[in-house]
Amino acid sequence: EAGVTQFPSHSVIEKGQTVTLRCDPISGHDNLYWYRRVMGKEIKFLLHFVKESKQDESGMPNNRFLAERTGGTYSTLKVQPAELEDSGVYFCASSQGRGAFFGQGTRLTVV
Amino acid sequence: GQNIDQPTEMTATEGAIVQINCTYQTSGFNGLFWYQQHAGEAPTFLSYNVLDGLEEKGRFSSFLSRSKGYSYLLLKELQMKDSASYLCAVRGAGKSTFGDGTTLTVKP
Repeated sequence: EAGVTQFPSHSVIEKGQTVTLRCDPISGHDNLYWYRRVMGKEIKFLLHFVKESKQDESGMPNNRFLAERTGGTYSTLKVQPAELEDSGVYFCASSQGRGAFFGQGTRLTVV
Repeated sequence: GQNIDQPTEMTATEGAIVQINCTYQTSGFNGLFWYQQHAGEAPTFLSYNVLDGLEEKGRFSSFLSRSKGYSYLLLKELQMKDSASYLCAVRGAGKSTFGDGTTLTVKP
């Protein structure tokens, strides 16, 4: 069974540029979560999709972050414009019921 | 593949200490996570162990023994709000996998 897939695995961009991260959840999982771990800090929740609907986006840091999940399948997280403090590892997880499967994460570096 | 085993349910009294165990078998090991999940909510990160030993963070501590494929989450001074599912997750080769979770019920 394929796990949660995220790409790119690494991205290095300049401050002010735009980056789009993609997450492909496990097929059939309605719940999709985005998290991020900023350097030296804990993993923080960003938002939760149930199918294509945003169930909870209370963790989104500001309006430079936009998440979508058209059709309830894969999801994208766009950062525009990127700032230095956005550097970190962005994790995606999917779930169908209790417990969740995490992807390997995308390491974003803003220079 | 990966196989993770943790107890299905545990019950403890408010103010007590409880230890939730997790054993795992994995091809490749890149860390073990503990998460707390309240019903209907997203998992919340509690701890991350990649080296052997005890990591303490307030009322919660997590222990790892890589040679034994064993971890535990220790919760001290239990509060009613600690009633939740506690998920052990292992990052192996290629993906991260969660166990089925342990439902902890804290009683007055």
